[in-house]
Amino acid sequence: ETGVTQSPTHLIKTRGQQVTLRCSSQSGHNTVSWYQQALGQGPQFIFQYYREEENGRGNFPPRFSGLQFPNYSSELNVNALELDDSALYLCASSLDGGNEQFFGPGTRLTVL
Amino acid sequence: QKEVEQNSGPLSVPEGAIASLNCTYSDRGSQSFFWYRQYSGKSPELIMSIYSNGDKEDGRFTAQLNKASQYVSLLIRDSQPSDSATYLCATSGGYQKVTFGIGTKLQVIP
Repeated sequence: ETGVTQSPTHLIKTRGQQVTLRCSSQSGHNTVSWYQQALGQGPQFIFQYYREEENGRGNFPPRFSGLQFPNYSSELNVNALELDDSALYLCASSLDGGNEQFFGPGTRLTVL
Repeated sequence: QKEVEQNSGPLSVPEGAIASLNCTYSDRGSQSFFWYRQYSGKSPELIMSIYSNGDKEDGRFTAQLNKASQYVSLLIRDSQPSDSATYLCATSGGYQKVTFGIGTKLQVIP
């Protein structure tokens, strides 16, 4: 069984730039959720993708967008980066939109 | 009021003792409850899920749920130094959104 993978591991961007983060779901899972975890905080739900459609969204602005592909992998895109976007971005996969989720290793984004 | 409340700690217990981690939640519609363990610099790892009132045991871990009191707890028996981590409580009202607490940092002292 293949676990959740994410790329890149670390990323440094400057304010105003755009970034794309990638996630491959665990083998057999068709649902991907994205979370933002700031230092010292719990993960905050950004959105979920199920069968290539957005299936729920947290309190994040539209400059946070995503995609899910037919193989269930997913991308998180963030436009017009702000300093407060610096965080660990976590992808979690599950089956059929369920919330027993398994996390990837995360992407550490630093915005300067 | 935060949706999921946890004491950030640190909670220090001696090796071999029982560690008790607590969590309260505000959404009475919550149906699913989870405990994740997160080592420093790593991603969260699901260790327990519980869906109905009462206790659920898995090895050294016991999750307890009281929906009337909107309270979830995690007991770790025979605590080991390798249990030192941040423990995240999470709830969900159904599919989609899972809401996490801030996490409680546990330190097991050898």
